[in-house]
Amino acid sequence: KAGVTQTPRYLIKTRGQQVTLSCSPISGHRSVSWYQQTPGQGLQFLFEYFSETQRNKGNFPGRFSGRQFSNSRSEMNVSTLELGDSALYLCASSSIGGTGGNEQYFGPGTRLTVT
Amino acid sequence: QKEVEQDPGPLSVPEGAIVSLNCTYSNSAFQYFMWYRQYSRKGPELLMYTYSSGNKEDGRFTAQVDKSSKYISLFIRDSQPSDSATYLCAMKIGDYKLSFGAGTTVTVRA
Repeated sequence: KAGVTQTPRYLIKTRGQQVTLSCSPISGHRSVSWYQQTPGQGLQFLFEYFSETQRNKGNFPGRFSGRQFSNSRSEMNVSTLELGDSALYLCASSSIGGTGGNEQYFGPGTRLTVT
Repeated sequence: QKEVEQDPGPLSVPEGAIVSLNCTYSNSAFQYFMWYRQYSRKGPELLMYTYSSGNKEDGRFTAQVDKSSKYISLFIRDSQPSDSATYLCAMKIGDYKLSFGAGTTVTVRA
């Protein structure tokens, strides 16, 4: 079974621009979560989508947004990029968990550099 | 105070040694506990997943959870240079978000 894939793997953007990152979850997984990883803050939760609906949201400004399509693929968008948005953006997918826990599997990440 | 505190390291051990990694947490509602391994410039890889107090073993890895003390550990036996990576503890409540520790970087010297 193929793992989580993320595109692009590397991206360089200029302050003020916007960027869209893509994530394809493991086949059959309906939940997709996004995380930002930086050396200073570690891994921080951005948001989670389940069946095309945002189910949970972290403490990030409205410049960070996302969506999920009917095939469970997800995109996240960052508008008006700032230097501090430079980070590794990770996507994780998990299967239907109901009220139980379920493992999250991560993709390789998209490394975004804002200059 | 952070929800999840992880021993910062870094740790450097000789090949064959036992590596011991620890995390404490403050939220007693956490139900599910995970350990991830992350190699440089890669995404985290799930190593261990558990939801009850006690030990869970998988090959050279043992995860230990003590809910009464809000403390989790990961032990790596017979460590190998290929175990050199950053190890992240993570925990969650139900289907809610994962809360991560800051990570401990481990180097196993050949």
